[in-house]
Amino acid sequence: DAGITQSPRHKVTETGTPVTLRCHQTENHRYMYWYRQDPGHGLRLIHYSYGVKDTDKGEVSDGYSVSRSKTEDFLLTLESATSSQTSVYFCAITNGTGVSYGYTFGSGTRLTVV
Amino acid sequence: GNSVTQMEGPVTLSEEAFLTINCTYTATGYPSLFWYVQYPGEGLQLLLKATKADDKGSNKGFEATYRKETTSFHLEKGSVQVSDSAVYFCAPSRDAGKSTFGDGTTLTVKP
Repeated sequence: DAGITQSPRHKVTETGTPVTLRCHQTENHRYMYWYRQDPGHGLRLIHYSYGVKDTDKGEVSDGYSVSRSKTEDFLLTLESATSSQTSVYFCAITNGTGVSYGYTFGSGTRLTVV
Repeated sequence: GNSVTQMEGPVTLSEEAFLTINCTYTATGYPSLFWYVQYPGEGLQLLLKATKADDKGSNKGFEATYRKETTSFHLEKGSVQVSDSAVYFCAPSRDAGKSTFGDGTTLTVKP
């Protein structure tokens, strides 16, 4: 019943290459988010979207960009991957105004930059 | 901005023991409060929530009460099971649903 899927699940890339991660939802939710998870840091917000073509930065947005051309897809791009961007990336969605509903998370993408 | 302080782990308990994981937060206004659980190798799942002061969220035997006066949202369970072994995250949320996550508390329950 996965209403949110992330691709790829795993990726190894070289330093300096661009990388795009995809988040796809079938719930027609307005809000979508990209977080990264690192040991000792919990989850930190990279970027989020509050509608088609409406995006904003989170607390760790440097080196990342996003796009949302359709309600169902939210893309995260690492312009030039660095080793510090080795992490597990989670996409999340939420309904309505977002504040009271909580997130549904994707299964994550494990990215290794070598 | 918001910040969250969670009880440091790891926490190791025997089956049927009582569990408390402390969570305190700082925030402007009145955030909604959430607990998420992450089982090994999986994404996070919403465990429970509370959206206003004195609300009690509950699910799967877990409970947490929104305490505005102490800005806390401690997670409790009366009798833990081995299957509860996971990482637990406290997360207040406001402003377009953006959540701030604690560092997570790893719980291991031994038979």
